[in-house]
Amino acid sequence: NAGVTQTPKFQVLKTGQSMTLQCAQDMNHEYMSWYRQDPGMGLRLIHYSVGAGITDQGEVPNGYNVSRSTTEDFPLRLLSAAPSQTSVYFCASSYQQGGYEQYFGPGTRLTVT
Amino acid sequence: AQSVSQHNHHVILSEAASLELGCNYSYGGTVNLFWYVQYPGQHLQLLLKYFSGDPLVKGIKGFEAEFIKSKFSFNLRKPSVQWSDTAEYFCAGRGSQGNLIFGKGTKLSVKP
Repeated sequence: NAGVTQTPKFQVLKTGQSMTLQCAQDMNHEYMSWYRQDPGMGLRLIHYSVGAGITDQGEVPNGYNVSRSTTEDFPLRLLSAAPSQTSVYFCASSYQQGGYEQYFGPGTRLTVT
Repeated sequence: AQSVSQHNHHVILSEAASLELGCNYSYGGTVNLFWYVQYPGQHLQLLLKYFSGDPLVKGIKGFEAEFIKSKFSFNLRKPSVQWSDTAEYFCAGRGSQGNLIFGKGTKLSVKP
């Protein structure tokens, strides 16, 4: 039982490049989400999914796309990277949407130059 | 509006000192509150959570928190901190999208 896994751990991009951050969970959780963590800002919700085939926007969705084709996977796509997207990205999952404990992945540290 | 605020940005304590980190929330509906800890270079781990019932919640590693509805507060406490408690602590509440709404975090530095 690996929990929530994320790849890569570190990534450096140039402005305008695109990439996909991978997230997978093996707990059969319905709810998955992506947060970004910036110094002094806490964690902010980018996108979330309440089940396969269903996604929705969070607080800071601009510049990011998601899809949820399976229960296990929830990739985050950066369409055209910008320096403002330099951050640490965390994927999280929970049993269902609502007041359930969320389990976090180890994070991806992204730098956009 | 839903929000969670943490009063202290950085707290510095000596080992064996008592700890209290403040957290206030502002939203209606069902109250689900959490404290997470992030050790340097690691991901967030759940310390404790409050859903209902006894307002004094005990978590892992000797931490506890008290939910005071009249004060909209959920402060984290530990009677005696250790150097290994050096970390960043986040208070969070359940958001309407099933997400967690985080405070900005409090960095705790414990001097040996």
